[in-house]
Amino acid sequence: GNSVTQMEGPVTLSEEAFLTINCTYTATGYPSLFWYVQYPGEGLQLLLKATKADDKGSNKGFEATYRKETTSFHLEKGSVQVSDSAVYFCALKNTDKLIFGTGTRLQVFP
Amino acid sequence: GAVVSQHPSRVICKSGTSVKIECRSLDFQATTMFWYRQFPKQSLMLMATSNEGSKATYEQGVEKDKFLINHASLTLSTLTVTSAHPEDSSFYICSARGGGNQETQYFGPGTRLLVL
Repeated sequence: GNSVTQMEGPVTLSEEAFLTINCTYTATGYPSLFWYVQYPGEGLQLLLKATKADDKGSNKGFEATYRKETTSFHLEKGSVQVSDSAVYFCALKNTDKLIFGTGTRLQVFP
Repeated sequence: GAVVSQHPSRVICKSGTSVKIECRSLDFQATTMFWYRQFPKQSLMLMATSNEGSKATYEQGVEKDKFLINHASLTLSTLTVTSAHPEDSSFYICSARGGGNQETQYFGPGTRLLVL
């Protein structure tokens, strides 16, 4: 079946630190991969996506590379800001359904 | 970007009563809407998919008589939790897809339901 596993949080960092949030997946076929972000009191927003192996999605300084050989889609940012504090969800899409990980809360302190 | 709202954001009800949650696409026409449920520290689980003007398609294990979904217009879908029980307490999230972009789902902020 299809599933997404991401690291448990919370992840607590100081401003300007390097961020990695791990995400691995299990899927049949060739899914598209996504990272969504949920800021406090708001809905999930698409952060970035990749549709095939070796694609790199990027947005707002965040990056993730679709690694088929390791079935991973780790989220990285070189220098986090306080405003990046949110919950991050890794997801895959197979056929028409989005399948989400459990979410990782990121807390960035000044 | 596209905005999806949910109402109410939080609701507390007594066991045995029914609760209706609204999901609206504010600036685009949503041909498809999705309803998810999220338990603490767990994934969003898709409950059902609804297309405007047709019956919702429910995921395996979701009781369609328990969770009534209506998608009567291109901007509104409702989820009614009938005869709610404490185990129905959860975070319910809707998303919508439509307009010129059939690839992206736009999510509402969620509704927290507590059944006493």
